[in-house]
Amino acid sequence: DQQVKQNSPSLSVQEGRISILNCDYTNSMFDYFLWYKKYPAEGPTFLISISSIKDKNEDGRFTVFLNKSAKHLSLHIVPSQPGDSAVYFCAASTDSWGKFQFGAGTQVVVTP
Amino acid sequence: DVKVTQSSRYLVKRTGEKVFLECVQDMDHENMFWYRQDPGLGLRLIYFSYDVKMKEKGDIPEGYSVSREKKERFSLILESASTNQTSMYLCAIGSGSYEQYFGPGTRLTVT
Repeated sequence: DQQVKQNSPSLSVQEGRISILNCDYTNSMFDYFLWYKKYPAEGPTFLISISSIKDKNEDGRFTVFLNKSAKHLSLHIVPSQPGDSAVYFCAASTDSWGKFQFGAGTQVVVTP
Repeated sequence: DVKVTQSSRYLVKRTGEKVFLECVQDMDHENMFWYRQDPGLGLRLIYFSYDVKMKEKGDIPEGYSVSREKKERFSLILESASTNQTSMYLCAIGSGSYEQYFGPGTRLTVT
């Protein structure tokens, strides 16, 4: 049974608007959360992370929010750009060194 | 720049063949991982290694084995390939600070 769920397989957004990607998890022991971005025919690349001691982390246009009580995290991309069109995976772990559980991914399409 | 190299981008094998997928890193990272990526299932961990000659099972190790004889090289072995092992295989490396660096992937088709 998947412990990390991304319930929206796809998201279409206009250039310049906000993209909001959601991720839910079931294991309350998860302490570290990451978002990865993947282009076709390439490996995933790290985007942003957050640990459970925080509820928000920001890096440029990307912000991750964590709601531990709801076991929910979200990634906001503002403003969305055409180059953001990719598959986004959220991942969670109980430790920092690397055994992560990944969600199924959300395909984001940014239209002009 | 971190470099994770996988031996092949595309591979076609027959059912029952023994298949070797190789991953090489140039970063001297201790941890190496093998995942498979399937539509609707995301990335699932097959095996990982945190040191030379050390290995641990991930979530879906059945039908696979691994070898790590040198720090920079981590091999995934399909002992007897089956059609349900058709997938995208991704190697990743990490150094204990949660970020992992991925290789470009190997698209394996078993016919």
